[in-house]
Amino acid sequence: GAVVSQHPSWVICKSGTSVKIECRSLDFQATTMFWYRQFPKQSLMLMATSNEGSKATYEQGVEKDKFLINHASLTLSTLTVTSAHPEDSSFYICSARDGGAPGNTEAFFGQGTRLTVV
Amino acid sequence: GENVEQHPSTLSVQEGDSAVIKCTYSDSASNYFPWYKQELGKRPQLIIDIRSNVGEKKDQRIAVTLNKTAKHFSLHITETQPEDSAVYFCAAKFGNEKLTFGTGTRLTIIP
Repeated sequence: GAVVSQHPSWVICKSGTSVKIECRSLDFQATTMFWYRQFPKQSLMLMATSNEGSKATYEQGVEKDKFLINHASLTLSTLTVTSAHPEDSSFYICSARDGGAPGNTEAFFGQGTRLTVV
Repeated sequence: GENVEQHPSTLSVQEGDSAVIKCTYSDSASNYFPWYKQELGKRPQLIIDIRSNVGEKKDQRIAVTLNKTAKHFSLHITETQPEDSAVYFCAAKFGNEKLTFGTGTRLTIIP
């Protein structure tokens, strides 16, 4: 299957600093990527939909100025957590769908990034 | 928007027995229903999926059934093994729309 690479796999940062997470589709073009957040023992909650070349679409309750998303190419989307606080500590996962495939097909997930804000 | 409910939240099954996890969805337009297995600290892995033009799909010990009229779909794992222990998520979507996930089921296989 297609491969989505997410980096870093884990990061520890100080409160008030910013952290950038990258999501790459390695062998396919992804016009759309999705960013999820997963707290312990909970489901994946969609934060935003990242569209190549245009502004991301954020889910209700997600602050777009705090979680900056850039999707500058067909293979790369980045999520920047700005002014991170301990409550932002979570498991962040991206997913991408092959833009050349029919709509009703699987999404491929990155390996996730465990963010710990101290 | 789509709403997916998943039951049970936890499930313990004796090794060798079968496990069944059920999900219901709200949007009758949804046409794609994947199931993911997630081990602790790892990414969700697709284990099986079904499209709305099919009522049942099987892959070795894993099967999924879909009832479009009732808007529910189920995951069946037979001859369970310890390595089946994980959290399982169902999901639903229509076309290019976003995936909506269920709340997850923690499956424990008792040796």
